[in-house]
Amino acid sequence: EVQLVESGGGLVKPGGSLRLSCAASGFTFSSYTMNWVRQAPGKGLEWVSSISIGSSDIYYADSVKGRFTISRDNAKNSLYLQMNSLRAEDTAVYYCARADHYFDFWGQGSLVTVSS
Amino acid sequence: QSVLTQPPSASGTPGQRVTISCSGSSSNIGGNTVNWYHQLPGTAPKLLIYSNNQRPSGVPDRFSGSKSGTSASLAISGLQSEDEADYYCAAWDDSLNGWVFGGGTKLTVL
Repeated sequence: EVQLVESGGGLVKPGGSLRLSCAASGFTFSSYTMNWVRQAPGKGLEWVSSISIGSSDIYYADSVKGRFTISRDNAKNSLYLQMNSLRAEDTAVYYCARADHYFDFWGQGSLVTVSS
Repeated sequence: QSVLTQPPSASGTPGQRVTISCSGSSSNIGGNTVNWYHQLPGTAPKLLIYSNNQRPSGVPDRFSGSKSGTSASLAISGLQSEDEADYYCAAWDDSLNGWVFGGGTKLTVL
């Protein structure tokens, strides 16, 4: 059974940093492009970042470019999102999602709250 | 302001057929396949339709998708109360080099 479990969310002050992790199991992690997608409270879905199987192709939404860094460790079946210079508008549930051509499996999400 | 445009709400009575539209441009829907997701309150989104009109295993054939030019549609026939959820379309955007979503459509079963 495919499982994606996010962790690392919490309350952080504006300008602060946080690192999210996503532990994958039930499939060959190193064979799939992985993504982060977020959802602000009461709002729709927003794609954040994608990383290819060998980390050679990385993409970011303009809203996080230069502040967030996606990475993966295929030996540990793990995906990461380093978030720096956090802003109030980054407050959201962050989902880890498996996707080559569509997001076929999603984690349960990790809440990040940016507030003073 | 989402790159893909969906109506914010839709509704129908049990047994009815409803459609949800998704409008984009040549850089996203026009050149790439469209996927649909649904989301119940407080839960993670789930894949509903992929590659314009394909259903993952376990999704009832009451759900169908189509695409024409720079627009796509999701149709739900035989509406049931458990279909009440938020629905999102998505596609890869070649200009933005990223995934784009519609703003979401809240479906109410009256």
